Amino acid sequence: AQSVAQPEDQVNVAEGNPLTVKCTYSVSGNPYLFWYVQYPNRGLQFLLKYITGDNLVKGSYGFEAEFNKSQTSFHLKKPSALVSDSALYFCAVRPRLYNQGGKLIFGQGTELSVKP
Amino acid sequence: NAGVTQTPKFQVLKTGQSMTLQCAQDMNHEYMSWYRQDPGMGLRLIHYSVGAGITDQGEVPNGYNVSRSTTEDFPLRLLSAAPSQTSVYFCASSRRTEMNTEAFFGQGTRLTVV
Repeated sequence: AQSVAQPEDQVNVAEGNPLTVKCTYSVSGNPYLFWYVQYPNRGLQFLLKYITGDNLVKGSYGFEAEFNKSQTSFHLKKPSALVSDSALYFCAVRPRLYNQGGKLIFGQGTELSVKP
Repeated sequence: NAGVTQTPKFQVLKTGQSMTLQCAQDMNHEYMSWYRQDPGMGLRLIHYSVGAGITDQGEVPNGYNVSRSTTEDFPLRLLSAAPSQTSVYFCASSRRTEMNTEAFFGQGTRLTVV
């Protein structure tokens, strides 16, 4: 079965410190990889994606993610966390096949808490 | 540019009632889909569509119907609401092209079935 795992329900970081939110996946082929962020009572906002090419991708708000094909991982990173980064983060994977209709397979989410 | 619009934002239903959650997008996206979000489970796919007139089931389709008569609209119908359908529902749309694969989400509909 295809799946996405975010092993940490919660990540706590002090403001100014680097942060990492982990994601691994088990999806056949070479799927597209995404990170989304959700603020309370809001929809999901796109942060960044991996399509092909450079394994380090940069996205919105200073976030970046590192793709590792051998480990099937796509960890989200930021060099210096802000209190305003506190939110729920989702890793998602999309199979490349046309007939999959753009459907996304989500991890269970990681709550990021950044303390002053 | 409104993006993806969902209505209503909140709804309370009694067990056995039916209703339709509306979703519309104005970006001419080929793909549309419905997800439900439950605590600790991420988002799970209910139904999806690759274009007008074409729909298919996702991971958790039971109790829900969809149709896609136009590119813009993708309503989700609850046939006979059950407490297990209490959840937050999100509609999403995306392009078919590889370089524009990211999905755009609506603000969600919070549904409570009593």
